[in-house]
Amino acid sequence: EVQLVQSGAEVKKPGESLKISCKGSGYSFTSYWIGWVRQMPGKGLEWMGIIYPGDSDTRYSPSFQGQVTISADKSISTAYLQWSSLKASDTAMYYCVRRNSGYDYNKLDYWGQGTLVTVSS
Amino acid sequence: DIQMTQSPSSLSASVGDRVTITCQASQDISNYLNWYQQKPGKAPKLLIYDASNLETGVPSRFSGSGSGTDFTFTISSLQPEDIATYYCQQYDNLPPGDTFGQGTKLEIK
Repeated sequence: EVQLVQSGAEVKKPGESLKISCKGSGYSFTSYWIGWVRQMPGKGLEWMGIIYPGDSDTRYSPSFQGQVTISADKSISTAYLQWSSLKASDTAMYYCVRRNSGYDYNKLDYWGQGTLVTVSS
Repeated sequence: DIQMTQSPSSLSASVGDRVTITCQASQDISNYLNWYQQKPGKAPKLLIYDASNLETGVPSRFSGSGSGTDFTFTISSLQPEDIATYYCQQYDNLPPGDTFGQGTKLEIK
């Protein structure tokens, strides 16, 4: 069974750093892109960026370039999303998602359960 | 950047109704469009990929159509468990060029 299991909720202060995780199981972790999606409170879904764990090729949405860092450790089938200095506006639910790409399709077919990040002084 | 305009932003319908949501791309995206359902407090779930293909295990009352810039998502007979927010998503063959629509919140009348 394919699963993406994310780390637990976090409460942080502005200026603090944070790294959240997403562990894949039930499939070849190095063969699929893993993306990150932000959902601010009461708002829609925003695409942040994506990594290919097989070679660590990483791409960012322009809106998030320089704001976060996406990485992966293929030895433990885990992807990460990190911030060096959190802001209150980073308060949101963050989802990791598997991108299943074929010859003529691309779909986000498995999602993590989400990690709620709250940034407040 | 490709913009996705989804409408309506909210919709109220009765059980058994046919429900339609539209998504318009700012430029031709062929059939590179997926649809997701998000229930309150839950992660999104893939329903339709490549504009019209039903994901495995998804009930057949859900369907999608369209290509180019105009796409439609339909629930043929609304069920109480379909209460959710629905999102379209366009993708580029090479990431990260994915964009979500603004979402349509579906409620029971």
